[in-house]
Order: sequence, then structure tokens, then C-alpha cells
Amino acid sequence: SQTIHQWPATLVQPVGSPLSLECTVEGTSNPNLYWYRQAAGRGLQLLFYSVGIGQISSEVPQNLSASRPQDRQFILSSKKLLLSDSGFYLCAWRATGAYEQYFGPGTRLTVT
Amino acid sequence: AQSVAQPEDQVNVAEGNPLTVKCTYSVSGNPYLFWYVQYPNRGLQFLLKYITGDNLVKGSYGFEAEFNKSQTSFHLKKPSALVSDSALYFCAVRDVSSASKIIFGSGTRLSIRP
Repeated sequence: SQTIHQWPATLVQPVGSPLSLECTVEGTSNPNLYWYRQAAGRGLQLLFYSVGIGQISSEVPQNLSASRPQDRQFILSSKKLLLSDSGFYLCAWRATGAYEQYFGPGTRLTVT
Repeated sequence: AQSVAQPEDQVNVAEGNPLTVKCTYSVSGNPYLFWYVQYPNRGLQFLLKYITGDNLVKGSYGFEAEFNKSQTSFHLKKPSALVSDSALYFCAVRDVSSASKIIFGSGTRLSIRP
């Protein structure tokens, strides 16, 4: 069966520090991968998605970036965090040919 | 433009009573619809989907959803609510302009009182 991992689970970082969040999927090949941010326990904002290695689509221009160095690995990064980057970051995957997405456990980021 | 709306921010139901969480959609062509549930500080869990076929779709944890094309609705239902059903529920629709993406509603908080 497929599983999706995210780490770290929680992170407290000062303003201006760098960020690296990692997401990996097991048990599938060539998945579509997604990064979302959820603010205040409500709506989801799609940040990036990837249909293959090295292929990244950005939905929201900001100080975040994403990379997909391997088929089942998706990384969210920032060079300098802002207070507004605080939130709950969710990674998701979708199998080729399927429609539903499956989510990881999330990373709670607090920028202080 | 396509969209999905959840008109209720919060729904309160007594344990044992039936529950309904409402969702309406606006999309060109045939809609592909989804329901997800999120427990506190957890990721979203997929409950069910409607792609085609029977208008009544059964999903996980005893939930079902009814697709109504004339009313452009996809309401989530359960015959008998449990306290453990208390969570945040999201309706979603496939983005027809990009099959890779899903558009999520704003969420409905379901609270089941004992």
C-alpha cells in the first residue's frame, strides 16, 4: 500500500531563517505531488505541484520554492522566512490516472 | 470559472441523529467531486468521490454523498452521527482546466454533541 511521510511534524523558526520541508511517498511510481498551506485551520491554498521529476508548477508567487529531486520526493524551501509563512503545510500525492489526492500528516510551521 | 461552495461554516448535530453537510458546485462539463475529512492537527483524509454512475456514493466511516445534477449539489450524509465524527469537512471538485488539480471548498466544521 502507499504511504506518504512529511517531516518535521512541527517547526519553530525565526524570521529570516531558511526553510526545508520534505515529503516522500512510498509504494507508487511517478505520482503527481502537491504542496498546500492551510492557515487558521480552514481553507487550503495550493502552493506548488509537480507531474514529474524536475517539473514544478507554481501557483502562488512568493518567497517559497519547491523541488523534486527524485520521483517520490518533494521539497518545499525558503531562503528567508516571513511571519506570514506560518501555517500548516500539507503534502499530497495523486496516482497517474486517478483523480483523488491523498495527504500527508502535515508540518506545523511557526515563524517567530 | 469553476468553484465549490460550502454554505455552512458550522453544523451541530446530536449524537445518533442523521447529519448532512452541504456542498454546491459550479463547473463546466461533468463534475468530478470529492469529500475529505480533517481531524485537528492532521492531514486530510479522503472519504469518497463521484466520477460517474450511481448518484448515491458510499464512502469510508459510514458516510455517503448524494450527487444532484439539477441542483448542482453533492451533500455529505450519515444516518447516525457519532461524537468521533466531529471534524472539519471539505468538499472539492476537479479543476477542469487542469486535471492535475482539485479545487477545495472553505470547509465546514461538524460538531456532534453527546
